[in-house]
Amino acid sequence: AQSVTQLGSHVSVSEGALVLLRCNYSSSVPPYLFWYVQYPNQGLQLLLKYTSAATLVKGINGFEAEFKKSETSFHLTKPSAHMSDAAEYFCAVSGAGRRALTFGSGTRLQVQP
Amino acid sequence: GAGVSQSPSNKVTEKGKDVELRCDPISGHTALYWYRQRLGQGLEFLIYFQGNSAPDKSGLPSDRFSAERTGESVSTLTIQRTQQEDSAVYLCASSTAGTGGANTEAFFGQGTRLTVV
Repeated sequence: AQSVTQLGSHVSVSEGALVLLRCNYSSSVPPYLFWYVQYPNQGLQLLLKYTSAATLVKGINGFEAEFKKSETSFHLTKPSAHMSDAAEYFCAVSGAGRRALTFGSGTRLQVQP
Repeated sequence: GAGVSQSPSNKVTEKGKDVELRCDPISGHTALYWYRQRLGQGLEFLIYFQGNSAPDKSGLPSDRFSAERTGESVSTLTIQRTQQEDSAVYLCASSTAGTGGANTEAFFGQGTRLTVV
C-alpha cells in the first residue's frame, strides 16, 4: 500500500519569500513521485516528477523538489514566491504495481503582497 | 484532441436520478483514470482503465458507481440513484502506458462539477 501525507493544509508566505510545501510518502517499493498544481477554476497541471533519474528535480515556474529516501520525503520548494504561485498543490505517488496515482490532501498556498 | 476533454462541465441533478459523465482522453493514451474531488479535499481514486479493461476499480465507492471504456477512447462514469454525498468534481486523466511498472505523466481534464440537490 502507498500513501501520501502533506503537512499543512494552508501555507501563507510573503511575496519574495521562500516557499516550502511538505510531502512525505509511504511505499513498499521505490516510488514515482509527482507534484501537481491546481490554479483557481483550472485543471491539475504537472509541476514536476521524480522517476529515480536524479534526486533533485526541477519543474516549471521555478519550483523544484528533492527526493530523500532516508526521510521518505519529497518537499517542494521555490526560492522566491510570486503572487501568481497562489494555488493548491498536490503531492502524489505511484508504484508497487499500482499505476494510478495516490494523492495527498493538498496544500493551499497563499502569497501575501 | 489536444487535451483531456470532459463533459458536461457542470451538472445539477435531483437526488435519486442517474447521471453519466464523459471523458475523452488524449489520442493514443492507453491508460485512463477517474478521480473524485470533494470540496476542500484531495483527489480520491475511483477506477483505472488500461485499454478497455479495468484492472483496478478498487476506488468505486459503491455499486451505484460504474464505468466503461470503448477501446482506447471515450470513457463514461455512471452514477445511479445519486445521493447528496456524490456531489463533487469528477476528474478524468489519461497517460501513455509505462513499462516495467513505471508511471508516466497523467494529464487531467477540467472536471465535471456534479451537484446533487
